[in-house]
Amino acid sequence: EIVLTQSPGTLSLSPGERATLSCRASQSVSSSYLAWYQQKPGQSPRLLIYGASSRATGIPDRFSGSGSGTDFTLTISRLEPEDFAVYYCQQYGSSPRTFGQGTKVEIK
Amino acid sequence: EVQLVESGGGLVQPGGSLRLSCAASGFTFSSYAMSWVRQAPGKGLEWVSVISGSGGSTNYADSVKGRFTISRDNSKNTLNLQMNSLRAEDTAVYYCAKNMRSGSYYTDPFDFWGQGTLVTVSS
Repeated sequence: EIVLTQSPGTLSLSPGERATLSCRASQSVSSSYLAWYQQKPGQSPRLLIYGASSRATGIPDRFSGSGSGTDFTLTISRLEPEDFAVYYCQQYGSSPRTFGQGTKVEIK
Repeated sequence: EVQLVESGGGLVQPGGSLRLSCAASGFTFSSYAMSWVRQAPGKGLEWVSVISGSGGSTNYADSVKGRFTISRDNSKNTLNLQMNSLRAEDTAVYYCAKNMRSGSYYTDPFDFWGQGTLVTVSS
């Protein structure tokens, strides 16, 4: 099973700032099968990024993903008020599909 | 518009059983693998089980293998999860989730999620 470790656990930023979230895998994620999800309190997760760098339908271009192998990054170029949430990475290159423990982006 | 609506959650005693359902609409249900993903209170996401579009292939997380059974009824566009021998650690919100691409199995992210149904295992 591939273990995903996200850092930091919490990111305290102001609207307009840049957010950089990290996801590190315990072994290489095949074919960059790495996704990012956003979850707000009381809501279900929403797919943001798949294939490490492709934006899902309707996702604003301030969200971008990068990385390969074992190291992946989600970047939010300029935080909007609605972006404060918990973000999870997920690998889907091998079974079981596993998630990171999440990074909370909170308002500073 | 894709919609996934879970039902069947509730309070159950340890060792008991519960059956969850997920009603799907807005897409060709039989063409997509479907999964159950759970989230314990205040915790992260854990994939539970997947079933192929035809229903012929299934997989389970080790934590539920032998206790949970996933199934689907493509004539009714419904996904099910039969949960037996429930434990306190099974307490969570259970989401049904759709694979992004038609015909894929586990090498796919989840592009739509239901709103979740809460299962509480407690005496």
